[in-house]
Amino acid sequence: AQSVAQPEDQVNVAEGNPLTVKCTYSVSGNPYLFWYVQYPNRGLQFLLKYITGDNLVKGSYGFEAEFNKSQTSFHLKKPSALVSDSALYFCAVRGPSGGSQGNLIFGKGTKLSVKP
Amino acid sequence: SQTIHQWPATLVQPVGSPLSLECTVEGTSNPNLYWYRQAAGRGLQLLFYSVGIGQISSEVPQNLSASRPQDRQFILSSKKLLLSDSGFYLCACKAAASSYNSPLHFGNGTRLTVT
Repeated sequence: AQSVAQPEDQVNVAEGNPLTVKCTYSVSGNPYLFWYVQYPNRGLQFLLKYITGDNLVKGSYGFEAEFNKSQTSFHLKKPSALVSDSALYFCAVRGPSGGSQGNLIFGKGTKLSVKP
Repeated sequence: SQTIHQWPATLVQPVGSPLSLECTVEGTSNPNLYWYRQAAGRGLQLLFYSVGIGQISSEVPQNLSASRPQDRQFILSSKKLLLSDSGFYLCACKAAASSYNSPLHFGNGTRLTVT
């Protein structure tokens, strides 16, 4: 069965420092992986996705993610964190083809806190 | 691009009362539609999905139901709310014509508190 794990409930970084939010996955077949961000009382906003090709994926707001097949990981990164990056981040994997018609299976989320 | 409207934004309802949450989509035709629930500000659970008018699939047994009376309208309902129905309800869509690896797009959600 498809699943993702986000091992950290919360990540704290200082503004200007690099940030990493971790995600590992378990899939049958090719992994289709996604990162979303959620601000308080708002819906989820799509950041980036990995389908195939280059292992380093660039997305919105300066975020990028590195796909590592051997470690089954898809960590979200940003070279220099901003206070405005503080939010809840979700890793997700596409459900199996033929299942829920393209639904996403989400990790439990990681709260990112960036301090000035 | 797709725009998803959800209302109301917040709702406080007593136990045993009925529920109707509405989601409408603009900017695409024949979308796949989804209802997710987010409990305690964390993980998302898929409740229902729909690939067309009148076609509803339920992912988990529960006190809720869904309907799709029009192509771009998705409604979440309950006849009698339970305390455990409290949560943040998110509607999402994916253009049916888009590829399998396309992302879902989400509305801004409805926060339901059952008292």
